[in-house]
Amino acid sequence: QKEVEQNSGPLSVPEGAIASLNCTYSDRVSQSFFWYRQYSGKSPELIMSIYSNGDKEDGRFTAQLNKASQYVSLLIRDSQPSDSATYLCAVTADDMRFGAGTRLTVKP
Amino acid sequence: ETGVTQTPRHLVMGMTNKKSLKCEQHLGHNAMYWYKQSAKKPLELMFVYSLEERVENNSVPSRFSPECPNSSHLFLHLHTLQPEDSALYLCASSLGKRRTGELFFGEGSRLTVL
Repeated sequence: QKEVEQNSGPLSVPEGAIASLNCTYSDRVSQSFFWYRQYSGKSPELIMSIYSNGDKEDGRFTAQLNKASQYVSLLIRDSQPSDSATYLCAVTADDMRFGAGTRLTVKP
Repeated sequence: ETGVTQTPRHLVMGMTNKKSLKCEQHLGHNAMYWYKQSAKKPLELMFVYSLEERVENNSVPSRFSPECPNSSHLFLHLHTLQPEDSALYLCASSLGKRRTGELFFGEGSRLTVL
C-alpha cells in the first residue's frame, strides 16, 4: 500500500513564528509533490508544488523536498492567524495520493 | 462563472433515494475527478475522467455511478446509499490529461445519508 503520512496535529504556533509541516511517502518513484491548504468548511486549495530536490520559496512559504529520505515539508514563516487551516500533502506517481492532513492553529 | 462549481452544496437523503451531484469546470481543463473526504481520513479518489479514459477505483461501491458527458461536466449519481457514505464529495479538475496534475477543487457537496 502506497502511503502518504502526516502528523494529524493539531500543531499550534504563536503568531509570527515559523510553522513546520512534515510529510513522508512510501512510493520511491513519486515524481511530483504538492501542498494544499483547506480552511474549515472549504475545499482544498493548492499553495505549493515542488518537483526536484531542494527548497522552493514562494512568499512566506517554503517547500522542501528530499527524495532520498522520501520526505517533503512546508515551512510557513511569520505565521498569521489566517494561516490556521488543515494542510494536505499530496504525492504523485501513477496517481495522486493525499495524506490525512495536519491541522495548524496560529494563535494571536 | 469561475473555477469549479458544484451543486448542490448540501444534500440530505434517505437510503432509498436517488440523487445526483453535479460539477462544472470553467477552466478548460482536460481531466475531472470525484473525491470523497471523510473526517480525519485522506482524500479518497473515486473516479477520474480524461479525454481518453475513465479510471475507476475498484473499491467504489456500485451505488455510486459517475457520468461525464463532456470535458466540462461531471455527475455522480447516487442510489441506495448507506449512512457511512455521509461525507464531503469533492469535484476537481486538472489541465493535464494524466491523473497527476495540479488539482483545482470545487467547494464540495456535503452529503448526509439518513
